[in-house]
This record gives sequence, C-alpha cells and structure tokens, in this order.
Amino acid sequence: RKEVEQDPGPFNVPEGATVAFNCTYSNSASQSFFWYRQDCRKEPKLLMSVYSSGNEDGRFTAQLNRASQYISLLIRDSKLSDSATYLCVAEANYKLSFGAGTTVTVRA
Amino acid sequence: DADVTQTPRNRITKTGKRIMLECSQTKGHDRMYWYRQDPGLGLRLIYYSFDVKDINKGEISDGYSVSRQAQAKFSLSLESAIPNQTALYFCATSEIDEQFFGPGTRLTVL
Repeated sequence: RKEVEQDPGPFNVPEGATVAFNCTYSNSASQSFFWYRQDCRKEPKLLMSVYSSGNEDGRFTAQLNRASQYISLLIRDSKLSDSATYLCVAEANYKLSFGAGTTVTVRA
Repeated sequence: DADVTQTPRNRITKTGKRIMLECSQTKGHDRMYWYRQDPGLGLRLIYYSFDVKDINKGEISDGYSVSRQAQAKFSLSLESAIPNQTALYFCATSEIDEQFFGPGTRLTVL
C-alpha cells in the first residue's frame, strides 16, 4: 500500500468553477503536509503547506484531518493556468512521501 | 541562474552501461535527495543525504549508488543500467521542510 493515496482524476472543470480533491496518508508519524504542483513532467514546486487548522492562500484552501488521516485541497474560481497535476505530500523525519498526483484540467 | 541544476537533462543509454547523474545546488542546503518518477507511481525516494559524507537509502535504492563529496553536489550512479530504470529523475534540496527540485533528467535505458 502506498503511503499517500490520491484520486488520479482527471478533474475537468470549466473556468470559474470550484474543484476539490483529497488524499489519504497511512503513516501516523507524519508531521508536516504539503501540496506541490507539477506541470507537464517538469519539476514539482511547492503550492502550499498544510496546517492543522486549515489554511488559505488566495483561491486555494487546504485542510488537514489528522484523526482520519486525510488532506484536502480546494481551488476556487479556477483559471486556465491552474491546469496541472497536484501532488499530495506527507513528511516524516525530513523525508517526503508523495502521492501519484491528481490531474486537473481547466477548460475555457 | 537556477538554484538546483541537473546534468544531463536527457540521456539514452544501453543495458549494462554505467551512468552518472549530477546534481548541483547554490542554495546552501545541507539536505539533498534523489527521486525517480514513473507514470502512476509518483516520486519515489532513492537516496538522501543530510550532510557531506552522510548517505541514507530510500525506498528504492537497489541498483543505484550515490556520492556526496561536497555540500553543493550529490551524484547518482547506475552501475549497470537496466530497462526498468527508464524514468524521470529529480534531485532536490531542503533546509527544513520545503524541498526544491531540479529540472529533472529523463533517462532511457534500451
């Protein structure tokens, strides 16, 4: 079983729509959580860290549920430029475990 | 200039050949990592290093070796390449939590 599981999608949404997706992690020792964005087989880049109380960065909202061991990402008012693969990441002992990614395609 | 660089960016080689992938960083980070990415599997950790001469195996270290002779450089070697090592390889560095990735090396083993 992979340490981090994600729905691969794809999520195809129109511009302006809201899209949300989750991931689950199995290592209860995980301390920190992140969402990375990866464009077309380029290098992953940090989108946002995920804090226990939930956090928002512009149109992006991340939530963490430690009891159920899942993390969510919500994108409001989707833009064409949001089309990418979103990687869910759990950190334990300075090592990151990556999900396989959720693909989002925003159409005009 | 990019903070994390990888060479080569693309490489095609034959089964049994020895290959070295290089990673250099100008961020001054102590921690460096090598990952491979395969379709549908996400990034998997091969080796990591928290300091010069510190080497640790990751999830899938078999068939690979690494060298960390300087803080800024972390090289990955495939002693005898095989076709299932065809993948996209990423180097990354970190100071605390966030990892910064190089542009990747696309390796094909025929």
